[in-house]
Amino acid sequence: QQQVKQSPQSLIVQKGGISIINCAYENTAFDYFPWYQQFPGKGPALLIAIRPDVSEKKEGRFTISFNKSAKQFSLHIIDSQPGDSATYFCAASNGRGSTLGRLYFGRGTQLTVWP
Amino acid sequence: ETGVTQTPRHLVMGMTNKKSLKCEQHLGHNAMYWYKQSAKKPLELMFVYNFKEQTENNSVPSRFSPECPNSSHLFLHLHTLQPEDSALYLCASSQGSKQETQYFGPGTRLLVL
Repeated sequence: QQQVKQSPQSLIVQKGGISIINCAYENTAFDYFPWYQQFPGKGPALLIAIRPDVSEKKEGRFTISFNKSAKQFSLHIIDSQPGDSATYFCAASNGRGSTLGRLYFGRGTQLTVWP
Repeated sequence: ETGVTQTPRHLVMGMTNKKSLKCEQHLGHNAMYWYKQSAKKPLELMFVYNFKEQTENNSVPSRFSPECPNSSHLFLHLHTLQPEDSALYLCASSQGSKQETQYFGPGTRLLVL
């Protein structure tokens, strides 16, 4: 059973456009939701993360929107650039207050930004 | 060297071979992880070590054998692998065992013939 469901599998956006990637989860014990960015030949790197006590977190052109009641969260990239072309993974964890928390990853979204 | 390094970056092995993957973290972290990344599949957690002690084995076949001699080094010993084990093997580390902000290495691309 997949703990975190991610869509779309691939996304093509024009330069300057908005990229939106969505994730959904079922486990209400999850309390940490990071997004990772992976370029070819590299390991995933933490991009931005949110906890459920806020509904939005913004860092530069990247924003996470979080809907606790719907158990959904999304990554928005505004003014998308060719350098943003990468695979993006959402993840969830119930690590707070527990040493047994683990990261559950979505299947990834391959983003291509055309110049 | 900075961050998390992995060697070798690429490995081709036969099903009867024995090989080892190495991971080293230069971040002063005390938790280290092995992940398997296959095409079109979610990242699969394989093993977790916290302060050199294995705290999680995610039902990984015994043909994969991890070793953590200290908090900075992690090995994955491979023997009698199957072609379906071909994948990118990623090592990661974190400050604590709560597996939140993990820092990944570049991975070892493994091909089993």
